[in-house]
Amino acid sequence: DSGVTQTPKHLITATGQRVTLRCSPRSGDLSVYWYQQSLDQGLQFLIQYYNGEERAKGNILERFSAQQFPDLHSELNLSSLELGDSALYFCASRGQNTGELFFGEGSRLTVL
Amino acid sequence: GQQLNQSPQSMFIQEGEDVSMNCTSSSIFNTWLWYKQDPGEGPVLLIALYKAGELTSNGRLTAQFGITRKDSFLNISASIPSDVGIYFCAGQLDNAGNMLTFGGGTRLMVKP
Repeated sequence: DSGVTQTPKHLITATGQRVTLRCSPRSGDLSVYWYQQSLDQGLQFLIQYYNGEERAKGNILERFSAQQFPDLHSELNLSSLELGDSALYFCASRGQNTGELFFGEGSRLTVL
Repeated sequence: GQQLNQSPQSMFIQEGEDVSMNCTSSSIFNTWLWYKQDPGEGPVLLIALYKAGELTSNGRLTAQFGITRKDSFLNISASIPSDVGIYFCAGQLDNAGNMLTFGGGTRLMVKP
C-alpha cells in the first residue's frame, strides 16, 4: 500500500460525458502528479500540483483539467469524453526533498 | 523535451535466468528510479539512485546510475514467476518538483 488513494477504481461512461477522478496523496506529501496510461503504453505525464498550485503541465488535453484543494486532495476532470480517453489514470505523490513518486492503484476509465 | 529509451521492450525468459534491462537518455538526470507495475496496478518503486556511479541492490535486484548520468540499468538475478510485470525507468533532473520522465517500459515474462 503506497498510501496514495484513488477513486473510483473503475468507471464506465459514454462518449461526450464528463467524469471526475479523485486522489488523496500520502499523508504529509504536498505534490500530486497525474499520469495517463493507455493500453500497453507507458506513463504519460499530464499535470502536477504542489500545495494547491499548478507546478508543471505535460500532454494534457484542453478537455481535461485538474485542481488541488486546501486539504491537498486532487481531482482530475475529463470532459467531452472520447473513445481514445479510455485508459488507466494514475495519481502519484512525492515526498518533500525526495525524487521518489508513490503511485495510487489507478482509476480505469472505459469510454463506450 | 527529454526522452528516455528503455530496452528491451519485452523479454520472455526461463525461470532462474538473470535479466538485464537499461535506459538511456539524451539528457542528464540527477535521479534515476526503477518501478515495477503488475497488471492492473500502479507502479511500485523498486530502487532509487541519486549519485552518478551509484550501484544499489534490493534483494535480487541491482541497479546502477551511469557515470555519464545519461543511463541506468536494472538487473534481476535468478528470476521467479512473480517477477512478471512491466518495469519502468524514470529520470528526474532535480528534486525541486520537476516531473519525472518515464521510459516506455520493459515487459518481462517468466516461463516456469
